[in-house]
Amino acid sequence: GQQLNQSPQSMFIQEGEDVSMNCTSSSIFNTWLWYKQDPGEGPVLLIALYKAGELTSNGRLTAQFGITRKDSFLNISASIPSDVGIYFCAGQKNYGQNFVFGPGTRLSVLP
Amino acid sequence: NAGVTQTPKFQVLKTGQSMTLQCAQDMNHEYMSWYRQDPGMGLRLIHYSVGAGITDQGEVPNGYNVSRSTTEDFPLRLLSAAPSQTSVYFCASSPDGVALSYEQYFGPGTRLTVT
Repeated sequence: GQQLNQSPQSMFIQEGEDVSMNCTSSSIFNTWLWYKQDPGEGPVLLIALYKAGELTSNGRLTAQFGITRKDSFLNISASIPSDVGIYFCAGQKNYGQNFVFGPGTRLSVLP
Repeated sequence: NAGVTQTPKFQVLKTGQSMTLQCAQDMNHEYMSWYRQDPGMGLRLIHYSVGAGITDQGEVPNGYNVSRSTTEDFPLRLLSAAPSQTSVYFCASSPDGVALSYEQYFGPGTRLTVT
């Protein structure tokens, strides 16, 4: 069954606004990933996190590995139209195991 | 490098028909995998391979077969298509085999409809 939850499911924001989304689980994960999927394309890796409490940035994107190791957060600052897409989190429980994916957060940016 | 390529991009099948979704990568990656994406479900792992000649089941393997005779190719076979297999299918590859790393590269997807 699905092990990761993402919220919100979808969001509509104005261009220039900041965005926050999260990924939660009842299980502990050792690695968290954040992907973005553009319409009609495959997911592309944005950020990888390896340690509890880790904060990593990629341009306007910042992701954090939750202290409890059961959650992760993604923030996008000053959103622009090309930020539109679906954002997925993925977690790996133990080194060498396959990743499990969350259901995604669909982001729409209004001009 | 072309990266990960998938064919066809779109396919419509009738219930009971069989077909093969093709996936190829030119990055000499050890690990390859197939996912299906359904609304509200995220990506679910169907089958994966940690190297040529080695395959294993993922979360939702029923109704699908795979083989890995070369490093480059990892076809997914639907033996008798069912409407429940209507989905978007993604192939992915990673440089690491047994020690799966985060660095997965996804293909553009195949949108399959079974009527």
